[in-house]
Amino acid sequence: DTGVSQDPRHKITKRGQNVTFRCDPISEHNRLYWYRQTLGQGPEFLTYFQNEAQLEKSRLLSNRFSAERPKGSFSTLEIQRTEQGDSAMYLCASSRLQTDTDTQYFGPGTRLTVL
Amino acid sequence: AQKITQTQPGMFVQEKEAVTLDCTYDTSDPSYGLFWYKQPSSGEMIFLIYQGSYDQQNATEGRYSLNFQKARKSANLVISASQLGDSAMYFCAMREGRDDKIIFGKGTRLHILP
Repeated sequence: DTGVSQDPRHKITKRGQNVTFRCDPISEHNRLYWYRQTLGQGPEFLTYFQNEAQLEKSRLLSNRFSAERPKGSFSTLEIQRTEQGDSAMYLCASSRLQTDTDTQYFGPGTRLTVL
Repeated sequence: AQKITQTQPGMFVQEKEAVTLDCTYDTSDPSYGLFWYKQPSSGEMIFLIYQGSYDQQNATEGRYSLNFQKARKSANLVISASQLGDSAMYFCAMREGRDDKIIFGKGTRLHILP
């Protein structure tokens, strides 16, 4: 298996611009998660999909954020009208639903800087 | 209240020594899972080890072992024979019951000294 991949790895944008990130999970993993990590903190859950269905969204996910997984494979996370507070590492993870561990495997992340 | 508490913001350990990273957790759900991840400076979260709440034995994966003390709600990571490449941030995390998201602690930065 190839690992979780994310694109781009780095994004610098100006406040007010829209940005979109992509995540490709490990093949045959039916669950896909988005987390946000700010400096000095652990990752915080944003949302997750099982196949193409978005099953949970954190209250951290304001209405400027939208995530999709249209065919149950890759996912996109879009942030509209970016703010400086959106600067963070955005991590994607995937897992294959099992009865025991359901371990989440993470990608390398997309580091967003909003100027 | 914090669900996951890591009390050591940073640690310095001599190469080849064993190191214990502390983690305590808070949950009332009898079914939960505990994870440890490593995050090098490159940023990727690397899964290290998992312990289920009903597992009878402490989990081990190579040089990593999890010292699971259920009554104390403690899940410390033990790294034996530390190596320079072990220098990284280490995060303890928990998934409760049938919840699907993982809750992370704030991490411990481990420095291995040559």
